Amino acid sequence: EADIYQTPRYLVIGTGKKITLECSQTMGHDKMYWYQQDPGMELHLIHYSYGVNSTEKGDLSSESTVSRIRTEHFPLTLESARPSHTSQYLCASSGLLPSSYNEQFFGPGTRLTVL
Amino acid sequence: GDSVTQMEGPVTLSEEAFLTINCTYTATGYPSLFWYVQYPGEGLQLLLKATKADDKGSNKGFEATYRKETTSFHLEKGSVQVSDSAVYFCALSSGNTPLVFGKGTRLSVIA
Repeated sequence: EADIYQTPRYLVIGTGKKITLECSQTMGHDKMYWYQQDPGMELHLIHYSYGVNSTEKGDLSSESTVSRIRTEHFPLTLESARPSHTSQYLCASSGLLPSSYNEQFFGPGTRLTVL
Repeated sequence: GDSVTQMEGPVTLSEEAFLTINCTYTATGYPSLFWYVQYPGEGLQLLLKATKADDKGSNKGFEATYRKETTSFHLEKGSVQVSDSAVYFCALSSGNTPLVFGKGTRLSVIA
């Protein structure tokens, strides 16, 4: 079944640790996105990609980095986690225009807590 | 740039009440419009969409009509249920750029 997956779902780590949040999709989508969602619910776009070897920074400045070596995989890395990184991280993907109208499909999210 | 403004919550309704969540947008050209829903502990799911003026999107009893003259895409449901308690996001797509989301409206329905 075509879907979008995120692992882990929950992560509690200490300050200074390096972490990678995984995102994979089996829908054959070219475009992928990472959002940070604050407790007030608002979504902030932090990274996106239009295809392999393409990555762009989003609207919210983030200390994270991303890579896109394979179409289906878009991991997000924090080199040194801090308590300010505590948040919900959502991954999404979308297909080619015009048939998809840029509709985005979301994964279940990773809730990160940095102590 | 493009933007979406939706009514602030939280919204609390009794079961079977009528729901309206307002959404207005600013965009160049002719965007596609979406409503997403996020249930507790989950990612966002597409609820409905409309891709051109006067289109009506509908799903699970929810409806929204793309009104170009008022640049609006208000979400409505005639009779809400407890299971509709969630956060609702209005969004627009203008070309190949990422979706632009509103800030979200939390709905709580009480029995």
